[in-house]
Amino acid sequence: EDQVTQSPEALRLQEGESSSLNCSYTVSGLRGLFWYRQDPGKGPEFLFTLYSAGEEKEKERLKATLTKKESFLHITAPKPEDSATYLCAVPIAFQGAQKLVFGQGTRLTINP
Amino acid sequence: NAGVTQTPKFRVLKTGQSMTLLCAQDMNHEYMYWYRQDPGMGLRLIHYSVGEGTTAKGEVPDGYNVSRLKKQNFLLGLESAAPSQTSVYFCASSYRDYTNEQFFGPGTRLTVL
Repeated sequence: EDQVTQSPEALRLQEGESSSLNCSYTVSGLRGLFWYRQDPGKGPEFLFTLYSAGEEKEKERLKATLTKKESFLHITAPKPEDSATYLCAVPIAFQGAQKLVFGQGTRLTINP
Repeated sequence: NAGVTQTPKFRVLKTGQSMTLLCAQDMNHEYMYWYRQDPGMGLRLIHYSVGEGTTAKGEVPDGYNVSRLKKQNFLLGLESAAPSQTSVYFCASSYRDYTNEQFFGPGTRLTVL
């Protein structure tokens, strides 16, 4: 069964304390992996798309990497404004087409 | 550009009432989607559209109907609301198919009493 699992569910860090979020997937024929950021009371905001194993993308303090089984979102020297829920998603086959399946998310809190 | 907008932002309904949620996008995207987000369940696809005049069922379509009469608008209707439909509803759009990133609206928080 196609699945997307994120860990940990919640992560609390001190400002400047680097860490990584994990997104593991069991999908045959990966057609992309997406990372989103969601602030409380708002819609998800697109961050990155990764298409092939070994690919990396960066944006400010965030770097996303992809292997054949999982993706990591590395956060370097985070600031309180990086606090949010981070979602990953992959397209899977659905009724002859595709749909985007989201993980449950990792709720990240950065304390000043 | 406003991106993806949703109206209303909040709504409270009584069981059995009906309502329509409106989604509009100004990015000339072909694909549009309606999701619901519930605690512990993540985002789940309700219905989607691959172009003007088309609609298709997602994974949780029961109790909802949709229409896409104009390319920029995607409407989600609840004919007879039930407490199980209490949720936060998000509309999204993408240029083409699921290999393209989706852009989300701000959401509608719906409570059904």
